[in-house]
Amino acid sequence: SQQGEEDPQALSIQEGENATMNCSYKTSINNLQWYRQNSGRGLVHLILIRSNEREKHSGRLRVTLDTSKKSSSLLITASRAADTASYFCATDESGYSTLTFGKGTMLLVSP
Amino acid sequence: DGGITQSPKYLFRKEGQNVTLSCEQNLNHDAMYWYRQDPGQGLRLIYYSQIVNDFQKGDIAEGYSVSREKKESFPLTVTSAQKNPTAFYLCASSIMAGFYEQYFGPGTRLTVT
Repeated sequence: SQQGEEDPQALSIQEGENATMNCSYKTSINNLQWYRQNSGRGLVHLILIRSNEREKHSGRLRVTLDTSKKSSSLLITASRAADTASYFCATDESGYSTLTFGKGTMLLVSP
Repeated sequence: DGGITQSPKYLFRKEGQNVTLSCEQNLNHDAMYWYRQDPGQGLRLIYYSQIVNDFQKGDIAEGYSVSREKKESFPLTVTSAQKNPTAFYLCASSIMAGFYEQYFGPGTRLTVT
């Protein structure tokens, strides 16, 4: 089952611009996580936001969570070419022991 | 140097052969997971284990088998019953099963011809 769905599927921007990706999910959650995957590599955890939090920051990353709309957004400010990667949201459906990953947003940052 | 290792990075097999993918972690994590990733499909859960000698099927377990005899090891066997085995396989672990951060290995790309 695919709980999280990212939007857009692909995003192309210039270095220095901000990148915003969205994630929607279907059921109640304990937390929502964002991961990054460079091409052909494993995923790397970026940030976790709990269901009782509305916003969280980590360096150039800003994540928001709106549980009433069942959606989250990931903002990367002042993008760099090195930010080029796929970004996935992952949610835990309350009562389950695993995370469910979305299909990801592919971000391309051009120099 | 803690982390998760997967081997090999690339694996080629003939159709009809079983193949075992290795996953080892030295993070002292209780939970381990196997995912399959196809282009444009995101990650799909194959099997997971919450503790040694215990494992549960994920969304796409058919044609796969696992074992968890040691805390640090969670090998995945892709059997000949798996109809489309060519994919990128990712192993992950977390301190416990559930909503905890997962740590991923570098992946194994399996090609079956």
